[in-house]
Amino acid sequence: GESVGLHLPTLSVQEGDNSIINCAYSNSASDYFIWYKQESGKGPQFIIDIRSNMDKRQGQRVTVLLNKTVKHLSLQIAATQPGDSAVYFCAEADSNYQLIWGAGTKLIIKP
Amino acid sequence: DGGITQSPKYLFRKEGQNVTLSCEQNLNHDAMYWYRQDPGQGLRLIYYSQIVNDFQKGDIAEGYSVSREKKESFPLTVTSAQKNPTAFYLCASMWGSGNQPQHFGDGTRLSIL
Repeated sequence: GESVGLHLPTLSVQEGDNSIINCAYSNSASDYFIWYKQESGKGPQFIIDIRSNMDKRQGQRVTVLLNKTVKHLSLQIAATQPGDSAVYFCAEADSNYQLIWGAGTKLIIKP
Repeated sequence: DGGITQSPKYLFRKEGQNVTLSCEQNLNHDAMYWYRQDPGQGLRLIYYSQIVNDFQKGDIAEGYSVSREKKESFPLTVTSAQKNPTAFYLCASMWGSGNQPQHFGDGTRLSIL
C-alpha cells in the first residue's frame, strides 16, 4: 500500500511469480487513475491508466483493477522479470485534472 | 526521437543564488509541468502551464518561478527564497487537456554547495 515518509513500502517477489502492488486513493470523486514505474535516477514511465467507468484494464503483462467501493487500485504484473525492479507510483486526477501522487512502492525481484 | 529533455542532470546551488533548470519537449504537447521529488515520497506539483504565455501555481510554488514563452520550453527557476531546494526535479508534458498520461524527462538533481 501507500504511505508517506522516508521508508518506502517494499514488495519482494520471486522472479517468474506475479506481483500485486496496492494503492488506496483518497477522493471518491476521482475519475482517472494512472500507474507509473520509476527506475533509479530516471523519470517516471507511464505503465497503464484506467477511468472510473471501468473496473479492469489490461496491458502487456500488466493489469489494473479499480474498486471504487473501497477506493482501492491495484497493479498486477505477470511473470515478474528482473527489469521490473523499480518504484511504482499510483496517482489519481483531481477535479482540475492534476495528478495526486502516492508515495510509491519499491518492487524487488529475487532471483 | 520525440521526448522531453531536461538539463543539466546535476546542478549545484550556492547560498543566495538563483538557478534555472531547462525543460524542452518536441512532442508538440500543450501542457507542461514541473514536479519536485524528495526521497521516499511521491511527486509534488510546483507549476504547470496549459498554453503558451500562461501558467498556474501548483501545491508548492513558493520560492520558484517559471516562464512559457514557447510551446516546447518550460524553464524553472529555483530562487534564493527557496530555503530547502535540494531535491530531484521532474518536468512532464501532456497532449491536450483533461485526463491523459503525462510524459516525463529524466530529471535534474539539485544540491546545495
